[in-house]
Amino acid sequence: KAGVTQTPRYLIKTRGQQVTLSCSPISGHRSVSWYQQTPGQGLQFLFEYFSETQRNKGNFPGRFSGRQFSNSRSEMNVSTLELGDSALYLCASSLPGGGNYGYTFGSGTRLTVV
Amino acid sequence: AQSVTQPDIHITVSEGASLELRCNYSYGATPYLFWYVQSPGQGLQLLLKYFSGDTLVQGIKGFEAEFKRSQSSFNLRKPSVHWSDAAEYFCAVGAVNTGFQKLVFGTGTRLLVSP
Repeated sequence: KAGVTQTPRYLIKTRGQQVTLSCSPISGHRSVSWYQQTPGQGLQFLFEYFSETQRNKGNFPGRFSGRQFSNSRSEMNVSTLELGDSALYLCASSLPGGGNYGYTFGSGTRLTVV
Repeated sequence: AQSVTQPDIHITVSEGASLELRCNYSYGATPYLFWYVQSPGQGLQLLLKYFSGDTLVQGIKGFEAEFKRSQSSFNLRKPSVHWSDAAEYFCAVGAVNTGFQKLVFGTGTRLLVSP
């Protein structure tokens, strides 16, 4: 059974640009969550999608957005990149009611903003 | 709001020695608790989870954790550490008031294993 796939693994972008990250969940998983991991702030919840609807959102500015497609694949977008957006972005998928089943994480996308 | 505290930033253990990583949580109701491990440059791997029932939970790679409601703790243990266990360990809580749709993580404990 394939795991959670995140693409690309590494990205280097310039301040002011925008970036799109992709996440393909485990087959049958309809919930997709995104987390940002930085040395200073640790792991922080960005948002969660289920059936193409955002159900929960963390405390991030509007420059961070996401969406989910009918096949449960998800993308997150960061516009007007800032140096502080450099981070490991992790995607997690789960069956509905994630806490009951646990969350499976991908290997992440390492974003570097220069 | 829920929160997780991992008081130890770094721990060094000799190979073959026992290990205990501490985790304290703050949450009003019965929490869903998780331990994840992260190797350098990798994502998070689920070691074990607690929802209800038996307070001693067995996980993968020989890890176990004990839920103690009175102490608001969910400490991770392993009787004999292997060099391959060197990694960063994260405790997390899932909250019912968000439909368990998000996890709140502790700051992590980096485990170093000495020969």
